[in-house]
Amino acid sequence: EAGVTQFPSHSVIEKGQTVTLRCDPISGHDNLYWYRRVMGKEIKFLLHFVKESKQDESGMPNNRFLAERTGGTYSTLKVQPAELEDSGVYFCASSQQGLVDTQYFGPGTRLTVL
Amino acid sequence: AQTVTQSQPEMSVQEAETVTLSCTYDTSENNYYLFWYKQPPSRQMILVIRQEAYKQQNATENRFSVNFQKAAKSFSLKISDSQLGDTAMYFCAFMEAYGQNFVFGPGTRLSVLP
Repeated sequence: EAGVTQFPSHSVIEKGQTVTLRCDPISGHDNLYWYRRVMGKEIKFLLHFVKESKQDESGMPNNRFLAERTGGTYSTLKVQPAELEDSGVYFCASSQQGLVDTQYFGPGTRLTVL
Repeated sequence: AQTVTQSQPEMSVQEAETVTLSCTYDTSENNYYLFWYKQPPSRQMILVIRQEAYKQQNATENRFSVNFQKAAKSFSLKISDSQLGDTAMYFCAFMEAYGQNFVFGPGTRLSVLP
């Protein structure tokens, strides 16, 4: 069974540009989560999808971040326009319905904003 | 809001020795889950061990065990017979019993030395 995959693994962009991160959850997992780790700090929750619906987006830092999960399969996280403080590692995780405490994480996307 | 603290940013241990990683947390909840996740270099985060707060018995997974002190809100991880493959970032995490997402600590970077 394939695990959670994320693309790209690394992204380097300039301040003001747009970047889109992608997450493919484990097949059949209704729950999809985005987390972010800013350098040296703790991993913070961004948002949670149940299928295509946003269950909780309380961790989204501001309106420059837009997450979508069309069709309830893969998800994208767009940052537009990117700022220096957006640099960090963005993790995606997925879990089965009813098993939110058993989340499988992807390898993360390292975003560097110059 | 819950917080998770890991007071050791970096640790090292000789191969085959035992090491203990510290984690404390703050919550007013009585029912919750605690986790240790491991992220090897350039690889994805995987679950090491989990503990339900209502269980008094400490969780154990092979060479990994926890010392869960509910009153003290402490959840340390002991790695016995350390192996080179244990080199990784270790994250302590908390989840409410009916929660949907993790609260992570800042991580401890463990190096196992040959």
